[in-house]
Amino acid sequence: DVKVTQSSRYLVKRTGEKVFLECVQDMDHENMFWYRQDPGLGLRLIYFSYDVKMKEKGDIPEGYSVSREKKERFSLILESASTNQTSMYLCASSLGGGGRYGYTFGSGTRLTVV
Amino acid sequence: GNSVTQMEGPVTLSEEAFLTINCTYTATGYPSLFWYVQYPGEGLQLLLKATKADDKGSNKGFEATYRKETTSFHLEKGSVQVSDSAVYFCALSEPPDSWGKLQFGAGTQVVVTP
Repeated sequence: DVKVTQSSRYLVKRTGEKVFLECVQDMDHENMFWYRQDPGLGLRLIYFSYDVKMKEKGDIPEGYSVSREKKERFSLILESASTNQTSMYLCASSLGGGGRYGYTFGSGTRLTVV
Repeated sequence: GNSVTQMEGPVTLSEEAFLTINCTYTATGYPSLFWYVQYPGEGLQLLLKATKADDKGSNKGFEATYRKETTSFHLEKGSVQVSDSAVYFCALSEPPDSWGKLQFGAGTQVVVTP
């Protein structure tokens, strides 16, 4: 089975800190995604990547950046954490092919910014 | 653009009851359709999928049929257990030029009581 591993299940950071959320997948998937999940707002796409060093903005990229230096790793960076970035962050990966394979998700990172 | 509408929750039912969660979609072309499940504190897991009209996806006693004529993909289970308590997400694939992105519904919380 494909595994998507997020480095932390829970994180507590201070306002203004630079925060790195790491995601690694082990099945050579081309596409990787970062979502945040908030009550009543569902899943919102932050950024995605379709190849090494390639990235595209999702629906809510403000305050975030990403890095994909290797195919298996996709990092989400909060440049200066703020309390409104307290959320559950979900990483996912997929094969190419127009989405018919669906995603494999990681277990999520619950980030609290204080 | 593509969109997914699913019934609002929470849906509360007793063990061994019949479960239906409605999902309808709007899409261009011929999307693939998915149901994901999220248990408390976890990431999303693929439950089942269908890639073309009249396909039936099934897993763990859950079923859903891709109905192009009604643009629906309703999830059903004949006899639920307490362990089926979770949030269920309907999703569809974006057009082929969208890097394999999925469009998610808002999620439906299901609570099964003993």
